[in-house]
Amino acid sequence: ELKVEQNPLFLSMQEGKNYTIYCNYSTTSDRLYWYRQDPGKSLESLFVLLSNGAVKQEGRLMASLDTKARLSTLHITAAVHDLSATYFCAGVLKTSYDKVIFGPGTSLSVIP
Amino acid sequence: EAQVTQNPRYLITVTGKKLTVTCSQNMNHEYMSWYRQDPGLGLRQIYYSMNVEVTDKGDVPEGYKVSRKEKRNFPLILESPSPNQTSLYFCASGLRAGVADTQYFGPGTRLTVL
Repeated sequence: ELKVEQNPLFLSMQEGKNYTIYCNYSTTSDRLYWYRQDPGKSLESLFVLLSNGAVKQEGRLMASLDTKARLSTLHITAAVHDLSATYFCAGVLKTSYDKVIFGPGTSLSVIP
Repeated sequence: EAQVTQNPRYLITVTGKKLTVTCSQNMNHEYMSWYRQDPGLGLRQIYYSMNVEVTDKGDVPEGYKVSRKEKRNFPLILESPSPNQTSLYFCASGLRAGVADTQYFGPGTRLTVL
């Protein structure tokens, strides 16, 4: 059974600072997704990571995947207020394509 | 515009009164899925469909039914809703099962069962 954990669950950070959100998963996952959800809104796709060592970057966000450690990270560089949102990682069971398991989410608040 | 639509967006109903939440996508996606989102529990997959007439259970299928008679539509049916099905529901679609593509989410349906 695939379990996905995230930490921290809540994060308050100052504008301009860097921080990392961690996503651990319990068993082999076929791929790893990162999503963003603004309050009261739907989910928006950020990254899809497929293989060990994969790194993807978009603006101030960079995601990486270490399949050996069963760990993905979402690194935030020089945070701005617009990045305030809840960030979810999600894995997919290798034995059952597209049975998606989400982590609990990390609620990020960027304060001036 | 490529999108996933859900209707209704908000629904208040009473225990036992059958309801259907519709989901439609215009991207010719093979894969569609339903999730519920609850505070403290994150998103949990209810059912998914890999193509027309092919559906499978997610993590929390009890109390729900789905059908996939056409590629674009994937309705979620609650035959006899109960208060523990009060939640925020999201429909999502993706290009094809097994393909490393992202999912596109609908706007959500907030359901309250009294």
